Amino acid sequence: GESVGLHLPTLSVQEGDNSIINCAYSNSASDYFIWYKQESGKGPQFIIDIRSNMDKRQGQRVTVLLNKTVKHLSLQIAATQPGDSAVYFCAERSNQGAQKLVFGQGTRLTINP
Amino acid sequence: DGGITQSPKYLFRKEGQNVTLSCEQNLNHDAMYWYRQDPGQGLRLIYYSQIVNDFQKGDIAEGYSVSREKKESFPLTVTSAQKNPTAFYLCASMKGGVNQPQHFGDGTRLSIL
Repeated sequence: GESVGLHLPTLSVQEGDNSIINCAYSNSASDYFIWYKQESGKGPQFIIDIRSNMDKRQGQRVTVLLNKTVKHLSLQIAATQPGDSAVYFCAERSNQGAQKLVFGQGTRLTINP
Repeated sequence: DGGITQSPKYLFRKEGQNVTLSCEQNLNHDAMYWYRQDPGQGLRLIYYSQIVNDFQKGDIAEGYSVSREKKESFPLTVTSAQKNPTAFYLCASMKGGVNQPQHFGDGTRLSIL
């Protein structure tokens, strides 16, 4: 069946460095992708989304890249700060059926001072 | 401020007891969702509702029930039939239309006494 997964369950970076969080997806019918940030004890917070007709989208300090050829999604965070420490989830939505979101396992990002 | 409110934040269930988790949104969103999150895992869909008075089972609906009598409210009942209810429960809502992100509340943590 369809699945969304992450290459690395944990990622540790130095404060000020750039972070890259990766995500692989397997459903070729997915045409909309979202990145969420979840802090401990809270609900996921929307960061950025991208439609399948794009390969890059930028927000404030974040960039999402989509490679449909290899079904790969990444989130780049520039100049990471302590407040970026959280678990990051990618999610995909198929353009068929009820358009439900399928979430990956998540990557825990830790920022070292 | 507009948002999604889940209550209570913590809930304890005794054996054989049904408990109801509240989810209210004032975003005027059409669709609402319930997810279950277990430690170190992604989100799994329990139930969802795209319009008032209509809802569908998600991937793990057994042992749960919902109602959608009002647009702004989507309560989830965890019944005694759910043998492993300990988890973090997240409610989300989404504006109508395609390619819209889901927005989440801050969750209810349910534990067994």
